[in-house]
Amino acid sequence: AQSVTQLGSHVSVSEGALVLLRCNYSSSVPPYLFWYVQYPNQGLQLLLKYTSAATLVKGINGFEAEFKKSETSFHLTKPSAHMSDAAEYFCAVSTSKTSYDKVIFGPGTSLSVIP
Amino acid sequence: NAGVTQTPKFRVLKTGQSMTLLCAQDMNHEYMYWYRQDPGMGLRLIHYSVGEGTTAKGEVPDGYNVSRLKKQNFLLGLESAAPSQTSVYFCASSAGFHNSPLHFGNGTRLTVT
Repeated sequence: AQSVTQLGSHVSVSEGALVLLRCNYSSSVPPYLFWYVQYPNQGLQLLLKYTSAATLVKGINGFEAEFKKSETSFHLTKPSAHMSDAAEYFCAVSTSKTSYDKVIFGPGTSLSVIP
Repeated sequence: NAGVTQTPKFRVLKTGQSMTLLCAQDMNHEYMYWYRQDPGMGLRLIHYSVGEGTTAKGEVPDGYNVSRLKKQNFLLGLESAAPSQTSVYFCASSAGFHNSPLHFGNGTRLTVT
């Protein structure tokens, strides 16, 4: 069965510092991996997705994530945090063997950016 | 370019009352979903639909019903609201392929007193 873990329910960084949000998954088949962001009082929106074309995936707002099969990880990074990056971030996984109701979301990581 | 639109945005119900949440998408997506989001519990799937006229149960379907009479609309009904249904409800849609992302609405905040 697939699962997703996100280390750290809350992460704080200073403005201009590196953002690193961790995501590890378990899957017996090649996964499709997604990062979503949720700003206050809004729905989730897609930041980026991995679908096996390239291991380093670039997303919106300067975020990127690297798929590492050996580590079963898909960590999200941004070189320099901006105040507007404060939000909740969710990692999600699905596979070609997954039924359509089984997009698995991680519990989320709340990112705070300190001025 | 509306995407996924949910109405209403906020609602307060008394225990035992009923209501319907409406979700509309303009992306011609086959698949639609209803999730609830609760603190510390992430997103949980209530019901979903893989096409017009179809519905299926998700992880937490009890106390909810859904209908998909038109491809672009997916309705979530609460027949007899309970305080445990206080939550934020999100509708989402997707093209249906496993590597297709979900497109979410902005949510409905429901309080049951």
